[in-house]
Amino acid sequence: KAGVTQTPRYLIKTRGQQVTLSCSPISGHRSVSWYQQTPGQGLQFLFEYFSETQRNKGNFPGRFSGRQFSNSRSEMNVSTLELGDSALYLCASSFSGWGQPQHFGDGTRLSIL
Amino acid sequence: KNEVEQSPQNLTAQEGEFITINCSYSVGISALHWLQQHPGGGIVSLFMLSSGKKKHGRLIATINIQEKHSSLHITASHPRDSAVYICAVRNNTDKLIFGTGTRLQVFP
Repeated sequence: KAGVTQTPRYLIKTRGQQVTLSCSPISGHRSVSWYQQTPGQGLQFLFEYFSETQRNKGNFPGRFSGRQFSNSRSEMNVSTLELGDSALYLCASSFSGWGQPQHFGDGTRLSIL
Repeated sequence: KNEVEQSPQNLTAQEGEFITINCSYSVGISALHWLQQHPGGGIVSLFMLSSGKKKHGRLIATINIQEKHSSLHITASHPRDSAVYICAVRNNTDKLIFGTGTRLQVFP
C-alpha cells in the first residue's frame, strides 16, 4: 500500500511569489492535515480537510489556503511568499481525523530567497 | 508558557538504557499523540492515547488525564531510536497543539 506522497520534495522561491504544494493520501483515507515546521516555532497546524471540506484551521494568515479534491488529494497554496515562510511543510492522512493514527508524508522543504 | 511542555529537551543515552520522555499539558484534551521524527523530516505516529497505557514492542506510552501528563518509555534503547520525539494534543475545541520535541541520541 503506497504511503502519503508529497510533491515536490524541495522548492526554492523568491519573496512575493506564490507556491502550490501537493499531498496524495493513502488510498481510502479521507482526512488530510497540513503542518508547518520551522526551527523557531516547531510544528504548527495549518488546516485539516475531510471529504473536500475544511474542518479545522490553525492560526495562520489568509495567505495560506488549501483545498481537497474528490479523490482526497489535497493542495496547499501560499501567496505573496515571505522569508518567514521558509519551512518544512508536512501533510498527514487518516481515515477520519486525529482520533485515528496519522500517516505522514516526507514533506516539502520550501526555501524563500 | 506553552500549552504543551516536553522534558527533557535533549537526552543522550547508552545503548540498552531505559529512557523516559515526559509531556505535560495545560488544556483539556480529547486525544494525545506521540510522534517520532528522524533526521530528514519523516514523521511516524507511534501512539494515540486518550487514557491508560499502550505498548508496542520496546515502546510504552502512558497518560494520566487527571494530572495532565503523559510519558513515553523506551526499554533497551538502541542507536536506531535516535530521533526527535514529539507530543501532540487535540484540545477540546479541536485545535492541534504540539510540544517542542525531545531530541534523543543513543550511543552504541
